[in-house]
Amino acid sequence: GAGVSQSPRYKVAKRGQDVALRCDPISGHVSLFWYQQALGQGPEFLTYFQNEAQLDKSGLPSDRFFAERPEGSVSTLKIQRTQQEDSAVYLCASSLTGLGRTEAFFGQGTRLTVV
Amino acid sequence: DAKTTQPNSMESNEEEPVHLPCNHSTISGTDYIHWYRQLPSQGPEYVIHGLTSNVNNRMASLAIAEDRKSSTLILHRATLRDAAVYYCILPGGATNKLIFGTGTLLAVQP
Repeated sequence: GAGVSQSPRYKVAKRGQDVALRCDPISGHVSLFWYQQALGQGPEFLTYFQNEAQLDKSGLPSDRFFAERPEGSVSTLKIQRTQQEDSAVYLCASSLTGLGRTEAFFGQGTRLTVV
Repeated sequence: DAKTTQPNSMESNEEEPVHLPCNHSTISGTDYIHWYRQLPSQGPEYVIHGLTSNVNNRMASLAIAEDRKSSTLILHRATLRDAAVYYCILPGGATNKLIFGTGTLLAVQP
């Protein structure tokens, strides 16, 4: 596809359930970012990959959050034992190189609702 | 990471120009200035970016002050579809990640 694709678009999880959110970046993009956006707030940085290397995970809120990008393309964000405060839109973005010089392309996001 | 300051909200009339200001007084010499916007229920969308010189593209223009401590995003003719939250960002840190603030909510009146 031409853009960043995220799936599923919507996910309802029972509290305590594990979830996996998928991101297909634009082909050839080196950088991949995950963000969390709560209702009415700006996106909050979670983690960054350069190819398959996770270079920054400073934004992951707890050890229940785990992200991977094993082959340097598709990425998965996993949340274990979901809690109500995890309810948010999870956004993925990719860029050709480092973001200083090039723009980021965002997916539509996955809206996670924990009940 | 250098921070930015933007007004919380602005209003414009359709087909009129809009000037969205951003202050970034702690910007470093190598920081690019990026603008993104987010329409309701969508992911952020890139608008424009620049380093020192003013920049133009099909969506907007970016005017950068000579001392680089402020910039202005210019929408030449606002349309109803331009109603969104506009974020001024200086990608920072070793990874040049985007740190979103609260942005400016632009309302466009018909």
